[in-house]
Amino acid sequence: TQLLEQSPQFLSIQEGENLTVYCNSSSVFSSLQWYRQEPGEGPVLLVTVVTGGEVKKLKRLTFQFGDARKDSSLHITAAQPGDTGLYLCAGKETSGSRLTFGEGTQLTVNP
Amino acid sequence: GAVVSQHPSRVICKSGTSVKIECRSLDFQATTMFWYRQFPKKSLMLMATSNEGSKATYEQGVEKDKFLINHASLTLSTLTVTSAHPEDSSFYICSARGPSGLSYEQYFGPGTRLTVT
Repeated sequence: TQLLEQSPQFLSIQEGENLTVYCNSSSVFSSLQWYRQEPGEGPVLLVTVVTGGEVKKLKRLTFQFGDARKDSSLHITAAQPGDTGLYLCAGKETSGSRLTFGEGTQLTVNP
Repeated sequence: GAVVSQHPSRVICKSGTSVKIECRSLDFQATTMFWYRQFPKKSLMLMATSNEGSKATYEQGVEKDKFLINHASLTLSTLTVTSAHPEDSSFYICSARGPSGLSYEQYFGPGTRLTVT
């Protein structure tokens, strides 16, 4: 089973600040997804990155897939209280259809 | 598109009873669905992979006789927690492989909060 280490586990910042969440593995993933989950709800897919070195932007969110497809980062610019939630990275193994989830980053943006 | 629903959203049952949770793909067919369990403020733990028309594949440590999975149609998978105990209380989430058929796309249901008293 491939493992994904996600950091930081908890992050509490003020509105307007920037932040970066990291997902790292010693294994190669064929793709990596980022999800955001609110309490009592299922995860919502934010983005999928497939190609090594790929960068995708979603408004104030920037996602990057490492060149070797072993790591990824999520950068949020000028965070807002509405960004509060649990952010999860999930990598798809090179064979099969299982997703390996990171431990999650609980983000709190204070007004 | 790619909407997944779960029913019920919340259920409270007594210890020793069985509970069935439904997962439906509303606007697409899903040959593969996944069942996860999530503890408070923790990540998702894959329990099993459900394939339409065949037996589910369970992850190591998950009791297949306790967590019965049936994927009888292309839009419905069910998880039955048999002889539930308080330690089975958790948030159960299903997902379905998306309509594109891409193996990495999974769309999640809203989850079911199970409380066993």
